[in-house]
Amino acid sequence: KNEVEQSPQNLTAQEGEFITINCSYSVGISALHWLQQHPGGGIVSLFMLSSGKKKHGRLIATINIQEKHSSLHITASHPRDSAVYICAVREEYGNKLVFGAGTILRVKS
Amino acid sequence: EAQVTQNPRYLITVTGKKLTVTCSQNMNHEYMSWYRQDPGLGLRQIYYSMNVEVTDKGDVPEGYKVSRKEKRNFPLILESPSPNQTSLYFCASSFDRGLTQETQYFGPGTRLLVL
Repeated sequence: KNEVEQSPQNLTAQEGEFITINCSYSVGISALHWLQQHPGGGIVSLFMLSSGKKKHGRLIATINIQEKHSSLHITASHPRDSAVYICAVREEYGNKLVFGAGTILRVKS
Repeated sequence: EAQVTQNPRYLITVTGKKLTVTCSQNMNHEYMSWYRQDPGLGLRQIYYSMNVEVTDKGDVPEGYKVSRKEKRNFPLILESPSPNQTSLYFCASSFDRGLTQETQYFGPGTRLLVL
């Protein structure tokens, strides 16, 4: 079993829809990252969380440490949101990052 | 402009021919790391460095070497490349691993094909 599981693996949405991507992990962590990988391959860091909730524009990330679960929400989705969204965790007593397999999001206009 | 640069961006080579992929950051970051990305396997950490002269293995270090002689540079060395090292490689850096400074900045990626 992977330490970091993301769901769904693939997601197709209509423009304007509210989108949720989930990340569950099985180890104690010190931080959780959400990354976005564009179709051209570049990776951008969206959020780094250790507790609670963060918001940036139309993106919201939440984490529940007790339940070992995080969600990434996209409000009013747009075709330019089409990308791969990757969850990564830093283990509590280590310096390594462990990644989920990614969620492929396609937003249709 | 704050950035992480990698060179080369694309490389085709043959089995056994030593190569180096360079990574440089201009943000005075302490933490640097190398990842490889393969279809179906996602991103996996190869090596990381907490600071100059401090490096450690990630999840898939076999067949790779790194060095951190200067803060800004973190080259990835493949002494004897093999076809299973064909992959997309990313370098990344962050200020440190403190929770408020840990945003990762990624390089543009290097596509390597080993024949």
